[in-house]
Amino acid sequence: KAGVTQTPRYLIKTRGQQVTLSCSPISGHRSVSWYQQTPGQGLQFLFEYFSETQRNKGNFPGRFSGRQFSNSRSEMNVSTLELGDSALYLCASSSRTGGIEQYFGPGTRLTVT
Amino acid sequence: GENVEQHPSTLSVQEGDSAVIKCTYSDSASNYFPWYKQELGKRPQLIIDIRSNVGEKKDQRIAVTLNKTAKHFSLHITETQPEDSAVYFCAASREYKLSFGAGTTVTVRA
Repeated sequence: KAGVTQTPRYLIKTRGQQVTLSCSPISGHRSVSWYQQTPGQGLQFLFEYFSETQRNKGNFPGRFSGRQFSNSRSEMNVSTLELGDSALYLCASSSRTGGIEQYFGPGTRLTVT
Repeated sequence: GENVEQHPSTLSVQEGDSAVIKCTYSDSASNYFPWYKQELGKRPQLIIDIRSNVGEKKDQRIAVTLNKTAKHFSLHITETQPEDSAVYFCAASREYKLSFGAGTTVTVRA
């Protein structure tokens, strides 16, 4: 099976702009979770989607949002970008019903200038 | 929310020796404890996991132990090799929300 894929892999944005990141889970996986990885804060949970519904949410401001489509692909949006949003954004997919293991994609490296 | 502490933050071992990383968690409802290995510039890779109804699990050179009463779990790597050099993250999960430790940078000296 193909692994989790994320696009784009690298992104440079200016403060105040918005950005949309995409994640395609492993075929058959219906759960997609998003994480932010920074040197200072480590890996932090953003949210999880299952069957197009947000099931869990981390402690991030409302500028961070997401959605999931009927084919399980997910997008994450960050509005009004701040310098502190520079990070590696990782998504992970899980079967949820067949297993709880989460498998990560390669990430999108977002740089905000 | 869940708080996961991981120690040590860095670990240097001689090739062939063992490495042990320890984590504690705060939420007694957490029921799944995976370990991830992340090499520089790569994605976190699931290397082993354990569920709350199991005390120990082994896969070749790596093993994980869980003490639910004390709320701590550990990763053991035996016969370390240069390719074991990476950052290792422990995590505790409740309802598909992974809470990660800060990571341990393991360096295996040849």
